[in-house]
Amino acid sequence: EVQLVQSDAEAKKPGESLKISCKGSGYTFTTYWIGWVRQMPGQGLEWMGIVYPGDSETRYSPSFRGQVTISADKAINTAYLQWSTLKGSDTAMYYCVRRHHYNVDYWGQGTWVSVSS
Amino acid sequence: QSALTQPASVSGSPGQSITISCTGTSSDVGGFNYVSWYQQHPGKAPKLMIYAVTNRPSGVSNRFSGSKSGDTASLTISGLQAEDEADYYCSSYTSSSTFEGVFGTGTKVTVL
Repeated sequence: EVQLVQSDAEAKKPGESLKISCKGSGYTFTTYWIGWVRQMPGQGLEWMGIVYPGDSETRYSPSFRGQVTISADKAINTAYLQWSTLKGSDTAMYYCVRRHHYNVDYWGQGTWVSVSS
Repeated sequence: QSALTQPASVSGSPGQSITISCTGTSSDVGGFNYVSWYQQHPGKAPKLMIYAVTNRPSGVSNRFSGSKSGDTASLTISGLQAEDEADYYCSSYTSSSTFEGVFGTGTKVTVL
């Protein structure tokens, strides 16, 4: 059974750094792109970027390039999304997803990130 | 990179059929058969309902069907049920940006 299990919710202060994770199982982790999708409170879905764990190639949506870093560690079947300096506007639910032929076929359960002073 | 356009809300009575549209351009919906649809219940992660315009994943009810005409894709829910009340998002491959994916604006489906 394919599963994407994300790290727990986080409560951080503006200016702090954060790295959240997504562990894949039930399939060959290195052969599917893993993406990150943001959903701000009461809002829609937004692509942030994707990483190919096989060779760590990364692609970013223009809105998020330079704002976050996406990476993967194929040795432990885990993808990451990180911020060096959090802002209040980063408060959102973040989903990791598996992409197959430009379709998202599996979703993680989501990681809620709250940024507030 | 603009989001694909969906109606904000669609409603129907139990047993009826409803259709949700997803309008893009020739650089995304109209140019490729990589349109997907996702259902999201409150507080839950989205779930894939349709992929590659018309295909249903295993386990998804055949009451859900997808189609495309020109730059507009559509999701039809037939025999509407209370459990279908949710938000629905389309997505597509796009060649118009440095990033190849785009979501729709989302549609709230209400079962009256």
